[in-house]
Amino acid sequence: EVQLVESGGGLVQPGGSLRLSCAASGFTLSSYLMHWVRQAPGKGLEYVSAISGNGGSTYYANSVKGRFTISRDNSKNTLYLQMGSLRGEDTAVYYCARGPPLDYWGQGTLVTVSS
Amino acid sequence: DIQMTQSPSSLSASVGDRVSITCRASQGISIYLAWYQQKPGKVPNLLIYAASTLQSGVPSRFSGSGSGTDFTLTISSLQPEDVATYYCQKYDSAPRTFGQGTKLEIK
Repeated sequence: EVQLVESGGGLVQPGGSLRLSCAASGFTLSSYLMHWVRQAPGKGLEYVSAISGNGGSTYYANSVKGRFTISRDNSKNTLYLQMGSLRGEDTAVYYCARGPPLDYWGQGTLVTVSS
Repeated sequence: DIQMTQSPSSLSASVGDRVSITCRASQGISIYLAWYQQKPGKVPNLLIYAASTLQSGVPSRFSGSGSGTDFTLTISSLQPEDVATYYCQKYDSAPRTFGQGTKLEIK
């Protein structure tokens, strides 16, 4: 059974950092492009970042470029999102997902940026 | 970047009604279009990919059509459990942008 389990969310002050993890199981992680999607409270889905199967190619939305870094460790079956210089507008549930299309999603982890 | 625009933003319909949601891409994306359903408080769920291919386990009352720039998600007979927000997403290349969502309610 394919599973994606995010962790690492929490409350952080503006300007702070946080690292999200997404533990994958039930499939060969290296065979898939992986993604981070976020959803601010009461808002729609925002595509944040993606990484190729071998980690050699990445994409970032303009809203996070230069502040967030996506990475993966296929030997540990884990996807990461290192978030820095956090702002209030980064407050959201962060989902990892497999695809495209995004056929499996994690349950999400809430990141709250507030003083 | 290609923009994805859904209409309407919200929709209220009666049980048994035929419901359609449209998604327009600002440039052609062939058939690289997916639809997701997100029920309140839940994780998004893939309904349709390649514009018209039903994901395994999705009820047959859901269907998708279109190619290029104009796409449609149709529910042939609305059920109470279909109350959700529906999103389209282009996935031909980065950025794999979502539409703004269509909130579907029961009248």
